[in-house]
Amino acid sequence: SQTIHQWPATLVQPVGSPLSLECTVEGTSNPNLYWYRQAAGRGLQLLFYSVGIGQISSEVPQNLSASRPQDRQFILSSKKLLLSDSGFYLCAWSVRDPMTYPPYGYTFGSGTRLTVV
Amino acid sequence: LAKTTQPISMDSYEGQEVNITCSHNNIATNDYITWYQQFPSQGPRFIIQGYKTKVTNEVASLFIPADRKSSTLSLPRVSLSDTAVYYCLVGDLIYNQGGKLIFGQGTELSVKP
Repeated sequence: SQTIHQWPATLVQPVGSPLSLECTVEGTSNPNLYWYRQAAGRGLQLLFYSVGIGQISSEVPQNLSASRPQDRQFILSSKKLLLSDSGFYLCAWSVRDPMTYPPYGYTFGSGTRLTVV
Repeated sequence: LAKTTQPISMDSYEGQEVNITCSHNNIATNDYITWYQQFPSQGPRFIIQGYKTKVTNEVASLFIPADRKSSTLSLPRVSLSDTAVYYCLVGDLIYNQGGKLIFGQGTELSVKP
């Protein structure tokens, strides 16, 4: 069965420090991968999505970046964190070809709670 | 991508049936309707998905009228553990290779004893 791993679960970082969040998927190949952020309250904001190794699409201009060095690995990074980067970060995956795996949807990781101080 | 509108919050009592309606007036021909449930500090969890008419699984039912401009998530006999935020999403999941789904603000359901 497919599983998605996201770590760390919580992180407290000072302003100006770098960030690296990692997400890996097991049990599937060629997944679509996504990074979402959820600020205090509700609403998930799509940050990045990737349809293949090295292919990254950015949805929101910011000081964050994403990379996909391997098929099932997705990394969210920042060189210098801002206070506004605090939030709940979620990684998700979906199948590339929905016709082969109905019903179609995202599977989310357990999330990383980032607090920038 | 079709924009969705759903109530910000709803209250219910244990044992009642809860219906959450989502409006998506600009839904496209290839769009599917998907509902997710999210508990605090957890990732959203897939509940149900449909294209038209009615879909039922062990958790919920999804009603979609013929014009597909709205959909209703029905939760039978809710319990306290159904207290969560429910998201309605509309997206092209067949012809759009990225399968990108956009989350709205969701509906915060509060179930009381």
